[in-house]
Amino acid sequence: AQSVTQLGSHVSVSEGALVLLRCNYSSSVPPYLFWYVQYPNQGLQLLLKYTTGATLVKGINGFEAEFKKSETSFHLTKPSAHMSDAAEYFCAAEGLSGGSNYKLTFGKGTLLTVNP
Amino acid sequence: NAGVTQTPKFRILKIGQSMTLQCTQDMNHNYMYWYRQDPGMGLKLIYYSVGAGITDKGEVPNGYNVSRSTTEDFPLRLELAAPSQTSVYFCATGTSGGTHEQFFGPGTRLTVL
Repeated sequence: AQSVTQLGSHVSVSEGALVLLRCNYSSSVPPYLFWYVQYPNQGLQLLLKYTTGATLVKGINGFEAEFKKSETSFHLTKPSAHMSDAAEYFCAAEGLSGGSNYKLTFGKGTLLTVNP
Repeated sequence: NAGVTQTPKFRILKIGQSMTLQCTQDMNHNYMYWYRQDPGMGLKLIYYSVGAGITDKGEVPNGYNVSRSTTEDFPLRLELAAPSQTSVYFCATGTSGGTHEQFFGPGTRLTVL
């Protein structure tokens, strides 16, 4: 079945260290891909997205992600973590069955902790 | 603009009670969605709507109903609450043109005892 997998339910980094959150999708057709962030007791907000075009996409707050079709991956990175990055991050895909359908399939989320 | 608003923020229900979770948007988006979020499980789509008068089931629709009589409102109805419906519920909106981004409300935390 088509799905989105986030490796690691909890990632802990030191302030200033590289952030790497992993996301893989299962689909025979490249979907649209998204990263959303959820701060405590809030809704989700979009960090960045890949639909078409450049495979390295930049988002808000210094995050970026690279779509790699050969690896069916869309990992999220940030060169230097800040305390304010502590949140839960969700990878999501649209169109896993092929074609745009405006419905998202979410991964289970990765909780990012940033240590001082 | 308020964006996507949800009421109530919190609610405790007894088993078998019913309630309606309200969702209103002022973004003039044609797509609206209801998700539930359970710890460690991500978000699951309950129902969605592509416009007024049109709704369809998502991944986990059992125990819920929706209606969409206007562009702005998309209420979610629980008829016979069960403990398995204890969750955080999010409403979201989106547009059919271009961006594919969804905009989320702040959520409703529901506990069924």
